[in-house]
Amino acid sequence: QKEVEQNSGPLSVPEGAIASLNCTYSDRGSQSFFWYRQYSGKSPELIMSIYSNGDKEDGRFTAQLNKASQYVSLLIRDSQPSDSATYLCAVKDPSGTYKYIFGTGTRLKVLA
Amino acid sequence: DAMVIQNPRYQVTQFGKPVTLSCSQTLNHNVMYWYQQKSSQAPKLLFHYYDKDFNNEADTPDNFQSRRPNTSFCFLDIRSPGLGDAAMYLCATSTPGTSLYNEQFFGPGTRLTVL
Repeated sequence: QKEVEQNSGPLSVPEGAIASLNCTYSDRGSQSFFWYRQYSGKSPELIMSIYSNGDKEDGRFTAQLNKASQYVSLLIRDSQPSDSATYLCAVKDPSGTYKYIFGTGTRLKVLA
Repeated sequence: DAMVIQNPRYQVTQFGKPVTLSCSQTLNHNVMYWYQQKSSQAPKLLFHYYDKDFNNEADTPDNFQSRRPNTSFCFLDIRSPGLGDAAMYLCATSTPGTSLYNEQFFGPGTRLTVL
């Protein structure tokens, strides 16, 4: 059973701080990793994708990937109350099924 | 703008009364997915299509059916909704193939209420 695990939270950070969200995955062959933001009652929105070890930055977001440790993280710098949402980690199934395996998400609360 | 569209956004039905949810896309993606998501849970894949090739998940109840008449449209039919089927239903698309870079995009979802 291929799994993606996330701490459900909530993770509470003060406004302006760095929020660090973590995700581990079980399939060592995984190559493609995605972070989605989901506001309450809305659908998931793709915010970051990462495929290579190391860091990938996009604005206030940085995704970090360590395939040896089977670990992917999302850093949100200068956190804003509008960043309060659930963040879903997803991993593309490497066996060619076109499926994406989702974690249950981490709820982030940014306190003003 | 290229996008994934779902209709209706909110659907109320009665216990046992069939309901159809629709999804359309202007992204021209070959792969379309239907997920069920309940509160505080991960999206649960029900089935997906690669073009017209249908792939059902082993644990998807027979109560759930799908149709994809063409590349742009996909439908989810719930033949006899039960109270446990109340959820957000998400349609998504992605480009096919074994490329690392295939990304999946979601529509806005349909919130189903069963009375």
